[in-house]
Amino acid sequence: NAGVTQTPKFQVLKTGQSMTLQCAQDMNHNSMYWYRQDPGMGLRLIYYSASEGTTDKGEVPNGYNVSRLNKREFSLRLESAAPSQTSVYFCASTLTGGKETQYFGPGTRLLVL
Amino acid sequence: QKEVEQNSGPLSVPEGAIASLNCTYSDRGSQSFFWYRQYSGKSPELIMFIYSNGDKEDGRFTAQLNKASQYVSLLIRDSQPSDSATYLCAVTDNAGNMLTFGGGTRLMVKP
Repeated sequence: NAGVTQTPKFQVLKTGQSMTLQCAQDMNHNSMYWYRQDPGMGLRLIYYSASEGTTDKGEVPNGYNVSRLNKREFSLRLESAAPSQTSVYFCASTLTGGKETQYFGPGTRLLVL
Repeated sequence: QKEVEQNSGPLSVPEGAIASLNCTYSDRGSQSFFWYRQYSGKSPELIMFIYSNGDKEDGRFTAQLNKASQYVSLLIRDSQPSDSATYLCAVTDNAGNMLTFGGGTRLMVKP
């Protein structure tokens, strides 16, 4: 089992460019999450998907969109990147919800110039 | 705005000592409490979770929860240099859908 995988590992964008961060899990989990982590800070929830076909906003959703493509995959899209979106992005999953252990992917480091 | 507060540190302890990490939270309805460890440049990994008031022990780690005081702590006994990392406290909302993370405490264990 690969667990939670994320692509790409690192990306540099110019202001205004768009991109999609990909996340996939092979643990048959129902719930998936996208977080961002800024230097010296904890993780902040961007969006989550409690189950296939549903998505909800987290703490910092502005500037992002998500798609729960199927049970395995949950993508995060930046339509028009801004320097304030420079961060490390983590995807996570749980079997049924937030009360359980979250398993994290390795992260995507994004730099917006 | 639900908040989870941690002292950012660094907390420096000598090898073999007890490290005590603390966390307070603002949402009285929170039900589940987690401690994650994050090495520099890596993703968080779960150390322990606790749901009920009191202590929960797992090897060298003990989690303590006091819901009346809205306080959760992590004790690491016989600290090792390999324990040097950032420790993140996380708390679920009342519905159990979302985790809110604290900013983390950086622990340094000196040989």
